[in-house]
Amino acid sequence: KAGVTQTPRYLIKTRGQQVTLSCSPISGHRSVSWYQQTPGQGLQFLFEYFSETQRNKGNFPGRFSGRQFSNSRSEMNVSTLELGDSALYLCASTTQAPGETQYFGPGTRLLVL
Amino acid sequence: AQTVTQSQPEMSVQEAETVTLSCTYDTSENNYYLFWYKQPPSRQMILVIRQEAYKQQNATENRFSVNFQKAAKSFSLKISDSQLGDTAMYFCAFMPASGNQFYFGTGTSLTVIP
Repeated sequence: KAGVTQTPRYLIKTRGQQVTLSCSPISGHRSVSWYQQTPGQGLQFLFEYFSETQRNKGNFPGRFSGRQFSNSRSEMNVSTLELGDSALYLCASTTQAPGETQYFGPGTRLLVL
Repeated sequence: AQTVTQSQPEMSVQEAETVTLSCTYDTSENNYYLFWYKQPPSRQMILVIRQEAYKQQNATENRFSVNFQKAAKSFSLKISDSQLGDTAMYFCAFMPASGNQFYFGTGTSLTVIP
């Protein structure tokens, strides 16, 4: 099976812009989670989608949003970018059962100037 | 609230030797899962090992094994016969059975010295 894919791999944006990141899960996986990784804050949970519905949400401002399509592909959007949004954004997919192993994509590295 | 603590920011080990990475966690949940993930310089997160809290037997995966002490809320990772390819950042992660959200520790940077 193909692994989790994320596009694009690298992005450079300026403050105030918005950005959309994409994640395609492993075939058959219906749950997609997003994480932000920064040197200062480490790995932080953004949100999880299952069957096109947001099932869990982390403690991030409303500028961070996401959605999931019927084929389980997910997108996350960040509006009005701030310098502090520079990070590695990871998505992970799993089957629907809680506690099952999450498989991570290679990440999208976002730099906000 | 769930918290995961990795008290060793950096560690090093000689090739072929054994090293143990520490992890403690705090939770009021009774049923949960624990994981160790490895993140090499490529930044791809790779599962190393997984433990179900209701299982008393410690998980093992080839050269990797854990020491799971539920009462002490401790979940250490032992790497035997260390190899150069083990050089990476290692993250301990907790997931309650009630959800699909990971709580990660801050990571331990492991360097295997030839």
